[in-house]
Amino acid sequence: DSGVTQTPKHLITATGQRVTLRCSPRSGDLSVYWYQQSLDQGLQFLIQYYNGEERAKGNILERFSAQQFPDLHSELNLSSLELGDSALYFCASSVGALRETQYFGPGTRLLVL
Amino acid sequence: DAKTTQPNSMESNEEEPVHLPCNHSTISGTDYIHWYRQLPSQGPEYVIHGLTSNVNNRMASLAIAEDRKSSTLILHRATLRDAAVYYCILFSRARDDKIIFGKGTRLHILP
Repeated sequence: DSGVTQTPKHLITATGQRVTLRCSPRSGDLSVYWYQQSLDQGLQFLIQYYNGEERAKGNILERFSAQQFPDLHSELNLSSLELGDSALYFCASSVGALRETQYFGPGTRLLVL
Repeated sequence: DAKTTQPNSMESNEEEPVHLPCNHSTISGTDYIHWYRQLPSQGPEYVIHGLTSNVNNRMASLAIAEDRKSSTLILHRATLRDAAVYYCILFSRARDDKIIFGKGTRLHILP
């Protein structure tokens, strides 16, 4: 158990809908990272937040947004969902902002029908 | 574009050492070399990292070439539980720099 929690574990929704994925980092970790893993794309970095502020952006679509709250938990919002958004979404956390060791959560499996 | 190059897959016999190579010819002086692995149906987990010197921990060893353009993850005695996808990643300390995992090496352990 990495100490990072993600909810929900599974999510099934329809095209065009909006969903919110939630992540709670390990106690004491200030950075949260979001990744998308699909079969054909491997693990793709989406975005990093550090202590409530956006620090780095990866291949995150405009339909996706994220935020980190004062209690350091983070949410990833996916809107206007398409079939191709079906994937595993992982959250990771680290102590600081400088990409030290990251601890990954168990992931949320999203299926868009 | 991936900053690292790894073989797609490798095989090893159980209880034998495994050497997983990684090329990172465009590494910058401040990039750290990290290795993660992903067991089936799990999130990635940290294995080891280093900057210039070789590193050892309870899971593995990391050998870094003198010019830092390549590195090798060494599992000293592979077990069936080591079957996973191993990712070699360069972590830049620069703000706004992307994190690129690449496709990794799928390690098969033969009993």
